Amino acid sequence: DADVTQTPRNRITKTGKRIMLECSQTKGHDRMYWYRQDPGLGLQLIYYSFDVKDINKGEISDGYSVSRQAQAKFSLSLESAIPNQTALYFCATSDSQVGYGYTFGSGTRLTVV
Amino acid sequence: GNSVTQMEGPVTLSEEAFLTINCTYTATGYPSLFWYVQYPGEGLQLLLKATKADDKGSNKGFEATYRKETTSFHLEKGSVQVSDSAVYFCALSDHSWGKFQFGAGTQVVVTP
Repeated sequence: DADVTQTPRNRITKTGKRIMLECSQTKGHDRMYWYRQDPGLGLQLIYYSFDVKDINKGEISDGYSVSRQAQAKFSLSLESAIPNQTALYFCATSDSQVGYGYTFGSGTRLTVV
Repeated sequence: GNSVTQMEGPVTLSEEAFLTINCTYTATGYPSLFWYVQYPGEGLQLLLKATKADDKGSNKGFEATYRKETTSFHLEKGSVQVSDSAVYFCALSDHSWGKFQFGAGTQVVVTP
């Protein structure tokens, strides 16, 4: 099993629909992150969580919300999807020792039509 | 604030050619520096890292040296293969900040 699992891998949804992207990890890490990737823009941080009771907004949190259900689970919701939220979404985890780097999931490709 | 700038792609080169991808950064304090690689259809994988000045990270024939004086962390490989075709991301993490800042990514295309 992968260290960081994202579901679904691909999703097409309609404008205005609510959608949830899920992430679970077996690394035992406290820190979890959600990023979106757009061509030519690299990765932009949406939300991050340093432990179950700690949730923080990233650079582009508008239109998104998150829930940290447990140390191992961190979900991202789009309350009312819009077309410019079409992107590749990545979940990542890290140890508190940031020098070890992130472990990424395989991504969710979301298309909003 | 922190930022990472890397050369734009795509970079197209022939198999066995020398690859350099430039990366410079702006950060307060003493960040750790990373290179990640993203193969088509996959997530990002850590390629190499360096946690202090003059450290050299290396993996799979790739190398990068943390140069504090020039605030750079350029990625190099002496002889690329078609399988090295991917998008490469430079990133930093400021220990006091606890998050990563990524560059925009550089696509590398290696032709036979």
